[in-house]
Amino acid sequence: NAGVTQTPKFRVLKTGQSMTLLCAQDMNHEYMYWYRQDPGMGLRLIHYSVGEGTTAKGEVPDGYNVSRLKKQNFLLGLESAAPSQTSVYFCASTQGAGSSYNSPLHFGNGTRLTVT
Amino acid sequence: KNQVEQSPQSLIILEGKNCTLQCNYTVSPFSNLRWYKQDTGRGPVSLTIMTFSENTKSNGRYTATLDADTKQSSLHITASQLSDSASYICVVSKAGNNRKLIWGLGTSLAVNP
Repeated sequence: NAGVTQTPKFRVLKTGQSMTLLCAQDMNHEYMYWYRQDPGMGLRLIHYSVGEGTTAKGEVPDGYNVSRLKKQNFLLGLESAAPSQTSVYFCASTQGAGSSYNSPLHFGNGTRLTVT
Repeated sequence: KNQVEQSPQSLIILEGKNCTLQCNYTVSPFSNLRWYKQDTGRGPVSLTIMTFSENTKSNGRYTATLDADTKQSSLHITASQLSDSASYICVVSKAGNNRKLIWGLGTSLAVNP
């Protein structure tokens, strides 16, 4: 049982380049999330999805886009990367509404992105 | 402002010893409080989730307590092992129309042999 899988694990981009981060979960979870983790800051929510075909903005959505074409996949896109987007990106999933209900978030192991 | 503050920022203990990590929060309205363990280079893993009515919950050698009146929580680790070396993050879920998770910065624990 793989749980939540993120690809790639590492990536270096130059300013202005684009890329897509892929998240796949095999737990049939409805809710999926993209977070970024930076030193000295708690995890911050970028975008989330409450089901296939739906997406919504989180706390720090600017510069990112997402898509949830299939229930098991949640893609995070950077159209024009900036050095401020250097971070570790985590995908998470949960069966219920993770925020207000008692469903734990299941995280992938992250993508470490450096933008030069 | 909704905040989750953890102490200490870092802690070093010897293998086999116990330790207690603290979490104070000002999030309102409150839904639940979670503790996560994050190993270096890995994603966070859920340890416990406690609602308003629960004041203690255990997961193996990990025991979390919650005092919703004083808005304080603690995570007690018993008979520490080298594998307990990690960051422990307290997360408070805000209820209501603006539901969200408020993440603490974590306590970095090092267990030395």
